[in-house]
Amino acid sequence: DTAVSQTPKYLVTQMGNDKSIKCEQNLGHDTMYWYKQDSKKFLKIMFSYNNKELIINETVPNRFSPKSPDKAHLNLHINSLELGDSAVYFCASSLARGGNSPLHFGNGTRLTVT
Amino acid sequence: GENVEQHPSTLSVQEGDSAVIKCTYSDSASNYFPWYKQELGKGPQLIIDIRSNVGEKKDQRIAVTLNKTAKHFSLHITETQPEDSAVYFCAAHRPQAGTALIFGKGTTLSVSS
Repeated sequence: DTAVSQTPKYLVTQMGNDKSIKCEQNLGHDTMYWYKQDSKKFLKIMFSYNNKELIINETVPNRFSPKSPDKAHLNLHINSLELGDSAVYFCASSLARGGNSPLHFGNGTRLTVT
Repeated sequence: GENVEQHPSTLSVQEGDSAVIKCTYSDSASNYFPWYKQELGKGPQLIIDIRSNVGEKKDQRIAVTLNKTAKHFSLHITETQPEDSAVYFCAAHRPQAGTALIFGKGTTLSVSS
């Protein structure tokens, strides 16, 4: 069984469109994250939720809106997509709140905006 | 905030050699230092971590050392194998509410047979 699963794996879309990425974890963790990995492989935190509560919201355009319907799911909705949004987006989860326990990553969603 | 520098950005070794990747961090309050391995097309996976009350930790061919005074930590891989080829990331965490892991920029390790 996949511990952290993301869908879709690939997403190709045009500028100006709205798209969503879904994430689910079956590890029973309380905390979930979205990370963005750019073309140079740099991993940057975007958001973190703990038991459906937003606890980290980095400097991300408000076109990005995370939603956590329950502690096992964290979705990412992106409005008005731009070329610069092209990246790999990783969902992750951890047992403890904060960054001092191991992260379990999904396999990523490669978003290409044309 | 925390800043993590990682070197080298690329590393090529022969099978059987050792590989060392070094990271420095800026915030002396940081107390958790994990290392992740990312294979092509996959998400990063934790391979080893160390906390600030420990100076060294070993797991088979992998070891991590931490020097709190100098604010640097290193990953050591011995007897490298082709399957060790991947991108390796170090990270650091400061124990403060609302903070997340800060990652280094990654090291692409290539092990040739």
